[in-house]
Amino acid sequence: KNQVEQSPQSLIILEGKNCTLQCNYTVSPFSNLRWYKQDTGRGPVSLTIMTFSENTKSNGRYTATLDADTKQSSLHITASQLSDSASYICVVSEGLTGGGNKLTFGTGTQLKVEL
Amino acid sequence: GAGVSQSPSNKVTEKGKDVELRCDPISGHTALYWYRQRLGQGLEFLIYFQGNSAPDKSGLPSDRFSAERTGESVSTLTIQRTQQEDSAVYLCASSSQRGAGELFFGEGSRLTVL
Repeated sequence: KNQVEQSPQSLIILEGKNCTLQCNYTVSPFSNLRWYKQDTGRGPVSLTIMTFSENTKSNGRYTATLDADTKQSSLHITASQLSDSASYICVVSEGLTGGGNKLTFGTGTQLKVEL
Repeated sequence: GAGVSQSPSNKVTEKGKDVELRCDPISGHTALYWYRQRLGQGLEFLIYFQGNSAPDKSGLPSDRFSAERTGESVSTLTIQRTQQEDSAVYLCASSSQRGAGELFFGEGSRLTVL
C-alpha cells in the first residue's frame, strides 16, 4: 500500500530560527513529490514540485530536497516568520500504467512560529 | 475566475438532510478532484474527474455520496441523508492534467451536520 509519512507531527519554533520537516514515502512507481502549505481554514498552496531527477528546489525561504533512492524528502524553512505558521503537507504522485498519476497525501506537519 | 471557487464556504445542516457543494475550477483545467478533510486530519481523496467523466470514484465513502461534472467545468458533490460523521471541510482542486500538473485548491466548503 502506498504511504506517505511525515515527521514531526507538530513543531514549535521561535521566529527567525530555521527548521526541517521530513517526509518518507513508499509510493511506487514514483512520478513527482510536492510540498504544500495549508494555512488554518484555507486550501493548500503549492510550494515546490520535484521530479525523480531533481535533488533540491527552492522557493524563497523554502528549500525542498529529494533522495529518490531512500525515498525521503525534506522541507527546510530558513529564518522563520510568524506567517510560516501552518500545516505543511507532503504529496507523492504515483505514475499509473497507461498514463496519468495518482496522488498520496501525508497527514502534514503542524508548524507554529512564536515570538 | 482566476482561482478555484467553492460554495458555500460554510454550511450547517441537520442530520438526515441532503447537501450540495459546488466547485468552479480554473478555466481550461481538465482534471478536477474532491477531497475531504476532517478536523486536524489529512486530506482524504474522494473522486477524480477527467473532463466530465469520473474514472476514479474509489474514495467515495458510501452510496450517500455522489458527484457530477458538466461542461468540463463546474462540479457538484452531493451528500444525501447527512450524518454527523460527514462534518468536515470539503476541498476541490483542479489541474491541467491528472497528477503530473500543479494542483490548485479552492478554499473549501465547511460542512457541519448537527
